[in-house]
Amino acid sequence: EAQVTQNPRYLITVTGKKLTVTCSQNMNHEYMSWYRQDPGLGLRQIYYSMNVEVTDKGDVPEGYKVSRKEKRNFPLILESPSPNQTSLYFCASSHLWGNEQFFGPGTRLTVL
Amino acid sequence: AQKITQTQPGMFVQEKEAVTLDCTYDTSDQSYGLFWYKQPSSGEMIFLIYQGSYDEQNATEGRYSLNFQKARKSANLVISASQLGDSAMYFCAMSRDTGNQFYFGTGTSLTVIP
Repeated sequence: EAQVTQNPRYLITVTGKKLTVTCSQNMNHEYMSWYRQDPGLGLRQIYYSMNVEVTDKGDVPEGYKVSRKEKRNFPLILESPSPNQTSLYFCASSHLWGNEQFFGPGTRLTVL
Repeated sequence: AQKITQTQPGMFVQEKEAVTLDCTYDTSDQSYGLFWYKQPSSGEMIFLIYQGSYDEQNATEGRYSLNFQKARKSANLVISASQLGDSAMYFCAMSRDTGNQFYFGTGTSLTVIP
């Protein structure tokens, strides 16, 4: 089944404790992206990747890192999480930039 | 500046009626794409419909159609014959030629009344 998977689905952590949210797609898509969703703000793009080893900042990259060592994986790294990073995070992929994106199920992160 | 504007935070529609969800966008690019996604209360993001800036005809997908007015920079979603399962959050989004980013609006919450 074609899908985007994210892990974990739910995470409660404390300020400053490094964490990684994994994202994997099995559709051989070139474009991958991370978003955060906050009430009243819609989805905002954090980082995106056009292909392996090619990543770039979206609108809200501060406090996040990403890597794209393999085509299928695009982990999101929070080196020192803070409470303002409490949010719902989505990973998405598409065959090419500009095509419809397929979204993962979301990761609800709470930083205490 | 907002690239995508959805001015209706919440909408109500009677079952079986049609409803229009508004979306305006801001870009000076010639080539761009417009998307609508649905997010039910379960949280997943579901792609509904796509319109390319060079497409002369309005996109349609089943009960969904996109009313594309290029000069007005609007891309409204029309849902015909609303069903209870259409109750959800709806997001308008844009991909632009400049940069490789996607921009989402703040969403419209649609409630279908039996």
